[in-house]
Amino acid sequence: EAAVTQSPRNKVTVTGGNVTLSCRQTNSHNYMYWYRQDTGHGLRLIHYSYGAGNLQIGDVPDGYKATRTTQEDFFLLLELASPSQTSLYFCASSLGGLQDTQYFGPGTRLLVL
Amino acid sequence: AQSVTQPDARVTVSEGASLQLRCKYSSSVTPYLFWYVQYPRQGLQLLLKYYSGDPVVQGVNGFEAEFSKSNSSFHLRKASVHWSDSAVYFCAVSMGTGANTGKLTFGHGTILRVHP
Repeated sequence: EAAVTQSPRNKVTVTGGNVTLSCRQTNSHNYMYWYRQDTGHGLRLIHYSYGAGNLQIGDVPDGYKATRTTQEDFFLLLELASPSQTSLYFCASSLGGLQDTQYFGPGTRLLVL
Repeated sequence: AQSVTQPDARVTVSEGASLQLRCKYSSSVTPYLFWYVQYPRQGLQLLLKYYSGDPVVQGVNGFEAEFSKSNSSFHLRKASVHWSDSAVYFCAVSMGTGANTGKLTFGHGTILRVHP
């Protein structure tokens, strides 16, 4: 079973604060993803990557940066957090794209006051 | 652009009853189709996926889904639900090419509540 871990699991920050969410996968998957989950919207893709140093823009990228430092590690950065970014964030990974199963981490709950 | 619609935001059934959760997609080509489940306080897990072949695909825990090209649908079914099936169910499609390869688009999810 693929393993995807996220840290922190919960985070509270203030408007304008700087937040980094971390994700690590230990299955040598090529693709990694960041989603946010909000009531009434399901999961929406923020950024994704198909390898170290690569970054692809998702569907809701505004206000977010991401960096894939290694095959295993993918970070989501909120440099000026806003209350609209209060959400549940999921990281996922998959071996390839398109038809491959995505394996999800347990999620990070972020509250921006 | 690809899109997914799950018309039922909430479904409530009694334990032992049959279940159908609906999913419709919009696409000019047949996409890869997925159903994921999210149990309380957990990440999503794959139930089943489909691209080609027999339009009825079997998944885990007794779930199956049927693809219909004519209806652009991929409905999820289970013959007899258990209280532990209470969760949020997401339909998703993937049909990107080139730089969009691997990009999943999710529906809004259906909250399933099973009465014991």
